Amino acid sequence: DVKVTQSSRYLVKRTGEKVFLECVQDMDHENMFWYRQDPGLGLRLIYFSYDVKMKEKGDIPEGYSVSREKKERFSLILESASTNQTSMYLCASSPLDSRKSVDFGPGTRLLVL
Amino acid sequence: AQKITQTQPGMFVQEKEAVTLDCTYDTSDQSYGLFWYKQPSSGEMIFLIYQGSYDEQNATEGRYSLNFQKARKSANLVISASQLGDSAMYFCAMREGLRAGRRALTFGSGTRLQVQP
Repeated sequence: DVKVTQSSRYLVKRTGEKVFLECVQDMDHENMFWYRQDPGLGLRLIYFSYDVKMKEKGDIPEGYSVSREKKERFSLILESASTNQTSMYLCASSPLDSRKSVDFGPGTRLLVL
Repeated sequence: AQKITQTQPGMFVQEKEAVTLDCTYDTSDQSYGLFWYKQPSSGEMIFLIYQGSYDEQNATEGRYSLNFQKARKSANLVISASQLGDSAMYFCAMREGLRAGRRALTFGSGTRLQVQP
């Protein structure tokens, strides 16, 4: 019953490192999203994509980039990790039907030292 | 301005009682959808219920119902007969506008519900 998977559950990186978070969905969904979750702030949208090679900035894109070369895969890249990027990162996907829910992956807890 | 406001950071409820989690939203679009998610301590996000802005009936899914008051822009989640397993973080979210299928959800800050035996 695999739906949305993320490459790592836990990740520890050093300041300045380039970090790749991978997300794969097997539901043939058009939309894919990257959110960041911090206590008291809820989920904030970093980037999303509604088609291969398409991307749109969310509310907090600074310090992040994304790549969607295949429909099922959406990667989040931290070009130069900083301590304020320590957080829980949630990938999600959804079909184009706006009434349908978004399916989330299990999350990656990233610690930047 | 916040698009989704959840004013209750934490709530307590006795087992078997009903509880209402508040959510107000802000949009100028006529077409939008409201979602509620549950996040237990394990971290997974679980979809609970959906309400469309044009839906005439309030949404219900088992023990979950949505008290949708369009004029007040509120979409409160009602959980009936609370169970210990309902202890979790609850998020309200909205997807708005034309071509909403190509839009992301905007989330509130969440309410942590604790069910007491």
